[in-house]
Amino acid sequence: GAVVSQHPSWVICKSGTSVKIECRSLDFQATTMFWYRQFPKQSLMLMATSNEGSKATYEQGVEKDKFLINHASLTLSTLTVTSAHPEDSSFYICSGSRREGGELFFGEGSRLTVL
Amino acid sequence: AQSVTQPDIHITVSEGASLELRCNYSYGATPYLFWYVQSPGQGLQLLLKYFSGDTLVQGIKGFEAEFKRSQSSFNLRKPSVHWSDAAEYFCAVGGVSGTYKYIFGTGTRLKVLA
Repeated sequence: GAVVSQHPSWVICKSGTSVKIECRSLDFQATTMFWYRQFPKQSLMLMATSNEGSKATYEQGVEKDKFLINHASLTLSTLTVTSAHPEDSSFYICSGSRREGGELFFGEGSRLTVL
Repeated sequence: AQSVTQPDIHITVSEGASLELRCNYSYGATPYLFWYVQSPGQGLQLLLKYFSGDTLVQGIKGFEAEFKRSQSSFNLRKPSVHWSDAAEYFCAVGGVSGTYKYIFGTGTRLKVLA
């Protein structure tokens, strides 16, 4: 299967700072990448869909100015949590797909803790 | 609206026993169906998928799932559970509304007794 790598795996930051999480498809070109948020013991909540070279599409209720998503190339998407607050603490998971409806390949996830 | 339901939040089985995790979906067309497994603090790993064709699909780690259109179900099964199977299992529907969107069920947490 294809490999998606996320970095960092975990990050602790102070309230008010910004944090960037990278999502890379290592051995395939991800035409579309997805960012999910997962609260403890809950399912994955889709935050946004990003297509290479275009603006991300955010799900209802997700603040696009707080969660900045950039998909600059077919192998890299980034999620920046701006002015992070403790309520932004969560497990963030990215995934990539080669084609519509195809299998999603997930990153290992990034655990963000905001103090 | 499209939805995925996993009726069982928790399931406990003894090692060596058989397992069935239920998944029902609501979707107008024939969906793409997936089962993923997540170990604590980890990302998701694909167990198996159904796109078309044979409705009984085989996956990794000895898992299989059967697509039943009449019941809108895609239940996951394993004949003999191993202690290492303890994890969270998510059913997902893909290709929703002609998009790349996936809808995940709420997950079933599997506990395996030695």
